[in-house]
Amino acid sequence: GESVGLHLPTLSVQEGDNSIINCAYSNSASDYFIWYKQESGKGPQFIIDIRSNMDKRQGQRVTVLLNKTVKHLSLQIAATQPGDSAVYFCAETGRSSNTGKLIFGQGTTLQVKP
Amino acid sequence: DTGVSQNPRHKITKRGQNVTFRCDPISEHNRLYWYRQTLGQGPEFLTYFQNEAQLEKSRLLSDRFSAERPKGSFSTLEIQRTEQGDSAMYLCASSTGGGGGYTFGSGTRLTVV
Repeated sequence: GESVGLHLPTLSVQEGDNSIINCAYSNSASDYFIWYKQESGKGPQFIIDIRSNMDKRQGQRVTVLLNKTVKHLSLQIAATQPGDSAVYFCAETGRSSNTGKLIFGQGTTLQVKP
Repeated sequence: DTGVSQNPRHKITKRGQNVTFRCDPISEHNRLYWYRQTLGQGPEFLTYFQNEAQLEKSRLLSDRFSAERPKGSFSTLEIQRTEQGDSAMYLCASSTGGGGGYTFGSGTRLTVV
């Protein structure tokens, strides 16, 4: 399953399928991007990050893709599991990368069906 | 050290009262951030400390809000004369500033009635 094109607030996928969550960022000067996962009642949890001099970075079961031309970021989760159900946020540094201040996008709720 | 600790987890207060929240960052982290998150939205930056110095404040931080980090360790966020619009989750995060993202606490949920 995937959210394609415009940001979708909710993505529902079957357990075991791959998920793709999309994010459009606003500031072409941003040089650092992060994906966070937030479960109910908890703070955001770091998943993976990428700098603007890269277009792809892989982690364990997750891949982040960066397309600077269209200011688009995506998070791919392989073999989605019920424990992946959460709200996912992308974040960018904007013009303040030296302070570490982050600008968060709209979240996408990932629902994993067993 | 098990991460960023925030207290209290929940706070219900009457409009007009003052409230104070505390954040204990990861001990070796010199950077500390406060964010506010309302239901269904991403966190919004409020303020940032490097050690004990408050280096940046958002326009969201009205004069009723004040934050301190007196010894460069824990931080407090105080809201005076609370309003219903202050109801939100207040998140604290810390980092070393070397990249790799922040570590967030679990937040303090404020409800103003």
